[in-house]
Amino acid sequence: QVQLVESGGGVVQPGGSRRLSCTASGFAFSNYGIHWVRQAPGKGLEWVTFIRYDGTSKFYADSVKGRFTISRDNSNNTLYLQMNSLQTEDTAVYYCLVITKGWGQGTLVTVSS
Amino acid sequence: EIVLTQSPGTLSLSPGERATLSCRASQSVASSYLAWYQQKPGQAPRLLIYDASSRATGIPDRFSGSGSGTDFTLTVSRLEPEDSAVYYCQQYGISPFTFGPGTKLDIK
Repeated sequence: QVQLVESGGGVVQPGGSRRLSCTASGFAFSNYGIHWVRQAPGKGLEWVTFIRYDGTSKFYADSVKGRFTISRDNSNNTLYLQMNSLQTEDTAVYYCLVITKGWGQGTLVTVSS
Repeated sequence: EIVLTQSPGTLSLSPGERATLSCRASQSVASSYLAWYQQKPGQAPRLLIYDASSRATGIPDRFSGSGSGTDFTLTVSRLEPEDSAVYYCQQYGISPFTFGPGTKLDIK
């Protein structure tokens, strides 16, 4: 069955960096575009970034543009999110999402000194 | 940017009733690229509907989506207590791929 498993979350100091991963199984990973979505504590869902199936196009929310970078390794069925210059407002659970397949379970990133 | 407005904000219904949730877009959503998700407390969201009306794998036929252009609807028939959750819509026709603020559905 379809599985998306995020990892890499943790506590980071303001101004720091973190790389998240999302490992996929149960479907043809290289055929699908994938999103990162985040949810701050007690808040709604916020779209963060998207990458096309072949990695040729990437889109970012204004709130993360220039600080976050999405990438993928189709040979290893893995999606990445490199997060730099982290701010307290980036504290959230980060999910990977394939629109027609579903969501991962999420990984919590806490930006705090 | 397409802004999605969901109504009502909260909906309280009884088991066996039907829920009608609305998602209205500030401009037309290309190719009906609209999805619905269900999220229960402490859990990841769950995909219910994509392409406005296609049910995701394993989703019961009590859940149905309809609409096009700027007006979309999620209908949940024969409500069960476990349908209590927050429901979100998302458009993925054009970046930024925005979410609505959610509708909280209480089944009592």
